[in-house]
Amino acid sequence: QAVLTQPSSLSASPGASASLTCTLRSGINVGTYRIYWYQQKPGSPPQYLLRYKSDSDKQQGSGVPSRFSGSKDASANAGILLISGLQSEDEADYYCLIWHSGAYVFGTGTKVTVL
Amino acid sequence: EMQLLESGGGLVQPGGSLRLSCAASGFTFFSYGLSWVRQAPGKGLEWVSTISGGGRSPYYADSVQGRFTISRDNSKNTLYLQMNSLRAEDTAVYYCAKDAPGGGGVDSWGQGTQVTVSS
Repeated sequence: QAVLTQPSSLSASPGASASLTCTLRSGINVGTYRIYWYQQKPGSPPQYLLRYKSDSDKQQGSGVPSRFSGSKDASANAGILLISGLQSEDEADYYCLIWHSGAYVFGTGTKVTVL
Repeated sequence: EMQLLESGGGLVQPGGSLRLSCAASGFTFFSYGLSWVRQAPGKGLEWVSTISGGGRSPYYADSVQGRFTISRDNSKNTLYLQMNSLRAEDTAVYYCAKDAPGGGGVDSWGQGTQVTVSS
């Protein structure tokens, strides 16, 4: 079982909201971690979006629109990236990241399609 | 403006070696940990190695432990990755990335350099 699991794909209409999950493996408590989120478009390096640990420990990436926000669902042991007011330019791959046991661990990635 | 610029990629035969460099500018180099992250064709991101700001604490993914060595020269603002005993599965775009303030993730990426291992 992967340390961080993301749904492989998600489709939504322009203007809708998209909720991307990053589920931590059983035994790894989401509350302990800062979860980082990245957007990657084809042929380009990843871009830092934001990090979220709690409402008092969060940071938006420089120039990242406020319609990208982070949260957690403790009951699901998951980090969440919410994209509000989805735009065609949001079509990309999205990855989560944590530092766990002396290593960076990336999520499996979610491909977001804007229909 | 902060910048990370990788170089040194190319085509190498299986079993060969390659040294990647990442020249940094626009931030206090020695204050931040730096990492190498790779992405195989059509695949997701894979962490390779991380080194602390002072260069004393390297970390490696199991897949490269014993074959790759990360290092940095704080006098030259440059990060390195020495890759030995290369395998076909090491073929990927290699990115260098800067740790975020406070740690726990990275907040800046270079453009990447392509490494192809093939006979």
